[in-house]
Amino acid sequence: DAGVIQSPRHEVTEMGQEVTLRCKPISGHDYLFWYRQTMMRGLELLIYFNNNVPIDDSGMPEDRFSAKMPNASFSTLKIQPSEPRDSAVYFCASSLARGAYYNSPLHFGNGTRLTVT
Amino acid sequence: AQKITQTQPGMFVQEKEAVTLDCTYDTSDPSYGLFWYKQPSSGEMIFLIYQGSYDQQNATEGRYSLNFQKARKSANLVISASQLGDSAMYFCAMRPNFGNEKLTFGTGTRLTIIP
Repeated sequence: DAGVIQSPRHEVTEMGQEVTLRCKPISGHDYLFWYRQTMMRGLELLIYFNNNVPIDDSGMPEDRFSAKMPNASFSTLKIQPSEPRDSAVYFCASSLARGAYYNSPLHFGNGTRLTVT
Repeated sequence: AQKITQTQPGMFVQEKEAVTLDCTYDTSDPSYGLFWYKQPSSGEMIFLIYQGSYDQQNATEGRYSLNFQKARKSANLVISASQLGDSAMYFCAMRPNFGNEKLTFGTGTRLTIIP
């Protein structure tokens, strides 16, 4: 089975440029998550979707960040304009629904390493 | 809110020995899931094992087992017969069964297996 697919694997861009990260979740998964990982802050949830609808975007750092999920098989995370402090590894993950007596793991993509110079 | 604490920033273990990675958690949720992930130097996040708060038995997956002590709010990962390929960062995480879907991570433990 194909896992979560992210592109690109690496992105190097200059400050002020627009950056778009892409994600294809595992087919049949109800939830999609965007996380960011840095040495200073560890793994932070940015936003998550349920059935393509954004549910919680309280982790999005500021208005420069936006995320969309136009259909069940595709999501984007956009940074415009990018800044050096946005440099991090960005992970997309997907999962099935939970239940009263069971939970579901998040399955992560390989991540996109973003460097903003 | 949930909080995960991993008190061992780094560990060195001899190959073939068993290793225990500590994880304690704090939550007011009545039901939740506990997860362990492995992050090798290549960077991907690999799901290892899951323990439900209602599960009566400790979870096991191959060489991985979870020592779950609900009253003490601990969920330690045990790796038996460690191998060089086990060298990686290990993250403990929690997700409630209801409400916010967020998976909350600990700060991780860097495990190094010595030949």
